[in-house]
Amino acid sequence: GAVVSQHPSWVICKSGTSVKIECRSLDFQATTMFWYRQFPKQSLMLMATSNEGSKATYEQGVEKDKFLINHASLTLSTLTVTSAHPEDSSFYICSAITGGYYEQYFGPGTRLTVT
Amino acid sequence: DAKTTQPNSMESNEEEPVHLPCNHSTISGTDYIHWYRQLPSQGPEYVIHGLTSNVNNRMASLAIAEDRKSSTLILHRATLRDAAVYYCLYTDKLIFGTGTRLQVFP
Repeated sequence: GAVVSQHPSWVICKSGTSVKIECRSLDFQATTMFWYRQFPKQSLMLMATSNEGSKATYEQGVEKDKFLINHASLTLSTLTVTSAHPEDSSFYICSAITGGYYEQYFGPGTRLTVT
Repeated sequence: DAKTTQPNSMESNEEEPVHLPCNHSTISGTDYIHWYRQLPSQGPEYVIHGLTSNVNNRMASLAIAEDRKSSTLILHRATLRDAAVYYCLYTDKLIFGTGTRLQVFP
């Protein structure tokens, strides 16, 4: 149980285009989902926290207009990278929790390459 | 920020126990201590969490110091599949530090 999926697993896009990444909790309802970004050889950096039906809370330094997060249901959150640039190339990972923050379930990640 | 300090890397041989330390001197009394691990090109995987008492599960054991300013993740018999980056975290908002890269040799 407690499986989180991400789609796509990898994507290549051209500079200036937008990319949508989906995060789904497959066998549980996620009250909260988190989005992280990870550059090569670096640790995960929390980008935003999203709760179903409400606006996402972004971490300091993360542009909310560039990284659009929608958490429309208890099993789906989406991250849209708008007007992507090469510096947005990274590994994007989502996670989900069912209640307290005691145990996060992470997705497999999405590797974004912007050319 | 919730800062943790871990050694950058550690090595072990297969079948041997591994003790991965973590310092979290600024932890508050209500913060849980979490451990996750990440294999290359994958999302992190939950390992264990605890508050004050030592904890055991099928993957590992967590030993928490009495003052809660440090903890140790114990892998009782390392396998090659345990080679990963191990992160200890605390607070409701999980802030990942640099973690410990564990290498396991056959």
